[in-house]
Amino acid sequence: EVQLVQSGGGLVQPGGSLRLSCAASGFTFSDHYMDWVRQAPGKGLEWVGRSRNKGNSYTTEYAASVKGRFTVSRDDSKNSLYLQMNSLKTEDTAVYYCARLKWLQNSGFFFDYWGQGTLVTVSS
Amino acid sequence: DIQMTQSPSSLSASVGDRVTITCRASQGINNYLAWFQQKPGKAPKSLIYAASSLQSGVPSKFSGSGSGTDFTLTISSLQPEDFATYYCQQYNNFPLTFGGGTNVEIK
Repeated sequence: EVQLVQSGGGLVQPGGSLRLSCAASGFTFSDHYMDWVRQAPGKGLEWVGRSRNKGNSYTTEYAASVKGRFTVSRDDSKNSLYLQMNSLKTEDTAVYYCARLKWLQNSGFFFDYWGQGTLVTVSS
Repeated sequence: DIQMTQSPSSLSASVGDRVTITCRASQGINNYLAWFQQKPGKAPKSLIYAASSLQSGVPSKFSGSGSGTDFTLTISSLQPEDFATYYCQQYNNFPLTFGGGTNVEIK
């Protein structure tokens, strides 16, 4: 059974840092691209960033709103995905989800499994 | 960025109703369109990918259609467990973008 178990959320002051974790099990983590998606309270979904797999040199992509402040990384030996968040702003307050991507020919890379989410609150 | 516009933003329907939600992309997305269901306090659940392909384990009452810039999600016979918010998402271009959501409520 595919599982994505998240940890690391909490309350942080503006300008502070936080690292989120997403522990994967039930599949070969190293084969998959992984993303982070967030949802501000009462709002819709916003894509945050991507980690590609080793075969694609672990390259990353970011939303403009977080580029230069957030870093997506992974440790395949620990089956874990991370989101390092620096210089946090009040507008970064959200539930953060990790999500697995699946690739199929003619279907591209699409989300199939999601973590349970973890709340990050940026407030003084 | 590609803008995804969903309509309606909310709807009221009865158990057994057929429900259709529309999603329009601001430019062509090669059918790289997904649909998700989200219930309050829960993570999104993936329903459909590539505009019309059902994710594993998703019941066949859900169906997706469309091409180019216009897409639809249809629930053939609404059941109590289907009352939720539904989102479309394009994954043809970065940044990935989502529609604003459609809240399906009980009439």
